[in-house]
Amino acid sequence: EAQVTQNPRYLITVTGKKLTVTCSQNMNHEYMSWYRQDPGLGLRQIYYSMNVEVTDKGDVPEGYKVSRKEKRNFPLILESPSPNQTSLYFCASSPAGPYGYTFGSGTRLTIV
Amino acid sequence: AQKITQTQPGMFVQEKEAVTLDCTYDTSDQSYGLFWYKQPSSGEMIFLIYQGSYDEQNATEGRYSLNFQKARKSANLVISASQLGDSAMYFCAMPPQGGNNRKLIWGLGTSLAVNP
Repeated sequence: EAQVTQNPRYLITVTGKKLTVTCSQNMNHEYMSWYRQDPGLGLRQIYYSMNVEVTDKGDVPEGYKVSRKEKRNFPLILESPSPNQTSLYFCASSPAGPYGYTFGSGTRLTIV
Repeated sequence: AQKITQTQPGMFVQEKEAVTLDCTYDTSDQSYGLFWYKQPSSGEMIFLIYQGSYDEQNATEGRYSLNFQKARKSANLVISASQLGDSAMYFCAMPPQGGNNRKLIWGLGTSLAVNP
């Protein structure tokens, strides 16, 4: 089944403890992206990648890191999480061209 | 700053009727694309339909169609024959002005409730 898989689905952690949210797609898509979704603010793009080793900042990159060492994987790293990073996170991928993103199921992240 | 506006925070529709969800946008680009996504209460985001600004016809995908009016800068989503499973949040999105197609700007969404 063609899909984007992100893990974990839910995570509660403490301020300052490094964490990684994994994202993997099995569709050989060139583009991958990370979003956060917050009430009243909608979806905001954190980082995106146009191919292996090619990444760029979205609208809210502060406090996040990404890497794209393989085409299928695009992990999101929070080096020192803070409570304002509590949010619903989505990973998404798409092929080149005018195609919509396929989204993962989301990660509900709570930082206390 | 470029903006996508969805003016209807919430909408109700009777099952089997059609409903139109509004989306207006602001861009000076001549070539651009518009996307619509659905987010059910389970949380996942589902791609519904895409409209290119130079497409000769309005996009359609099953029960979903776009009422695309380029001069008015609107791309309204029409859902025909509503079903209970259509109850969800609906988002309109597009690339930023002069930007690439992978960096999307999103509207705040419309919550649709389908009544039996």
